Amino acid sequence: EAGVTQFPSHSVIEKGQTVTLRCDPISGHDNLYWYRRVMGKEIKFLLHFVKESKQDESGMPNNRFLAERTGGTYSTLKVQPAELEDSGVYFCASSRFRDRGMDEQYFGPGTRLTVT
Amino acid sequence: AQSVSQHNHHVILSEAASLELGCNYSYGGTVNLFWYVQYPGQHLQLLLKYFSGDPLVKGIKGFEAEFIKSKFSFNLRKPSVQWSDTAEYFCAVTLDSSASKIIFGSGTRLSIRP
Repeated sequence: EAGVTQFPSHSVIEKGQTVTLRCDPISGHDNLYWYRRVMGKEIKFLLHFVKESKQDESGMPNNRFLAERTGGTYSTLKVQPAELEDSGVYFCASSRFRDRGMDEQYFGPGTRLTVT
Repeated sequence: AQSVSQHNHHVILSEAASLELGCNYSYGGTVNLFWYVQYPGQHLQLLLKYFSGDPLVKGIKGFEAEFIKSKFSFNLRKPSVQWSDTAEYFCAVTLDSSASKIIFGSGTRLSIRP
């Protein structure tokens, strides 16, 4: 069974540009999560999809971030326009069930975003 | 706001030394507790988890953690570390009230001297 995959592995863009990150969850996993780790700090939750619906987007920093999951399969996270403080590692995770936080989330390798 | 604190940012040990990484959380309700590990160049993966029952849980690779409710703690232990345990370790919680999102600590980098 293939794990969670993310593309690209690393992206370097200039301030003001747009970047789109992609996540492919494990096949059959209805739940998809995005997290972000800014250098030296904790990994922070961004949002949670159940199939194609946004279940919880309380962690999205501002309206420059747009996440989609059309068709309930892969997800994209677009940052437009990017700012310096958006630099960090963006992780995606997926899980099969949603049972009071007990379901194991499987993480992808992350996308390292550098905004210069 | 709910948070998870890890006391050590970087721990350096020699092989065969004993390990204990501290973790405290701030939340008065029911929590589910986790330790995740990220080996160099690899994905974050689950080391162990506690939902209920015996507060001493055992995970992969000889790791264990003890939930002490009165201290809001979930410390990770291993009696004898190996060089291959070099990694970054994250304590994390999920809250029953908000189900799925994981709240992570800032991580502890563990370096093992061969």
